[in-house]
Amino acid sequence: GAVVSQHPSRVICKSGTSVKIECRSLDFQATTMFWYRQFPKKSLMLMATSNEGSKATYEQGVEKDKFLINHASLTLSTLTVTSAHPEDSSFYICSAPRPPGNTIYFGEGSWLTVV
Amino acid sequence: QKEVEQDPGPLSVPEGAIVSLNCTYSNSAFQYFMWYRQYSRKGPELLMYTYSSGNKEDGRFTAQVDKSSKYISLFIRDSQPSDSATYLCAMSVLNTGNQFYFGTGTSLTVIP
Repeated sequence: GAVVSQHPSRVICKSGTSVKIECRSLDFQATTMFWYRQFPKKSLMLMATSNEGSKATYEQGVEKDKFLINHASLTLSTLTVTSAHPEDSSFYICSAPRPPGNTIYFGEGSWLTVV
Repeated sequence: QKEVEQDPGPLSVPEGAIVSLNCTYSNSAFQYFMWYRQYSRKGPELLMYTYSSGNKEDGRFTAQVDKSSKYISLFIRDSQPSDSATYLCAMSVLNTGNQFYFGTGTSLTVIP
């Protein structure tokens, strides 16, 4: 069964609104979670690392005010796309390392369409 | 030089063929190696992981690590159309604050 759960799997929002995507670790605590963006037929692009108890670490070129990340608890990280525009439409995926060994598990992904 | 190199393909094989997917890496400190399968419009799914050099088998899948050559492989025996997906390799140095390095993925199509 799923180890990391992501919600919603699909969301459509109007341009200018904000949308929140949740990522949960289901049977383990995750002090770190990762957020990715993926365009069709392209590889995963790491956006940011979500850290419980501290600020997220953003990759170069990712707007932190646009993509708000909150590691709300040891099992939940959220990505909020603020003032969404059509160019923000994409597939967003989270992952978390699960102990022992810190094997990375991915969520099912969230399709965001901004109209 | 990228930390992890993976041929993006695409790779097309007939059903029943043996598939070999490969990644090379530059950091000799990598100790932990993972393979993922990603179907279109889905999140990547963990297939196998291994810590050590040598082979690890799980059903039709075999993961092989050659640390001396900095080379890892995933073999798929008796390939099926349902194996058509993108395969990602990933690796890390243990106990380094969760730093993981991914290949770009190889697109595989198994033709019935």
